[in-house]
Amino acid sequence: GAGVSQSPRYKVAKRGQDVALRCDPISGHVSLFWYQQALGQGPEFLTYFQNEAQLDKSGLPSDRFFAERPEGSVSTLKIQRTQQEDSAVYLCASSSWEPFAQETQYFGPGTRLLVL
Amino acid sequence: AQTVTQSQPEMSVQEAETVTLSCTYDTSESDYYLFWYKQPPSRQMILVIRQEAYKQQNATENRFSVNFQKAAKSFSLKISDSQLGDAAMYFCASNTGANSKLTFGKGITLSVRP
Repeated sequence: GAGVSQSPRYKVAKRGQDVALRCDPISGHVSLFWYQQALGQGPEFLTYFQNEAQLDKSGLPSDRFFAERPEGSVSTLKIQRTQQEDSAVYLCASSSWEPFAQETQYFGPGTRLLVL
Repeated sequence: AQTVTQSQPEMSVQEAETVTLSCTYDTSESDYYLFWYKQPPSRQMILVIRQEAYKQQNATENRFSVNFQKAAKSFSLKISDSQLGDAAMYFCASNTGANSKLTFGKGITLSVRP
């Protein structure tokens, strides 16, 4: 079946602009994660959803970052008043609810955000 | 809290030869999972192999195998018969089970010489 998809793949924003990044998880996957990956670094956790409930948002770097998953499938990560330090690749991952599969996360291609 | 350390930033291997990528981790949890992910340049992160900490047997997936040393908190990846398509950044990662966030190392860039 189809994997995790993200859009847009690339986004250039002017400093101070708001952006919205979309994630479509694998069909039927209950859990959805957002990560931020700086250039040449490993991904870092931002937030986690189980269905529509945001159970962990401890990784969000500031109150300018907001995520939602209103119907338990598609998720949107919104960044308000973007700053240059927000430039990174934003990765979305999803995992199954099936036994012995819940630990493994499958990643989308990411959205590369550049803030000028 | 979990930490994952990859101390080698880069490695190179001759095509058809074997290479081992190192990873160490630290955790206070008794139940956890370890992963190796591959990220080709500008492409999607792909799961290579996973290991459950409660299993003593090392995981194997075709040309990829791990050496899991639980007491030493070491989790290395061995790639046998290296191919040009293996060139990528490799990340070691861990989590504490179902629906828990992954903690990643900084990654290692593997190049394969023809």
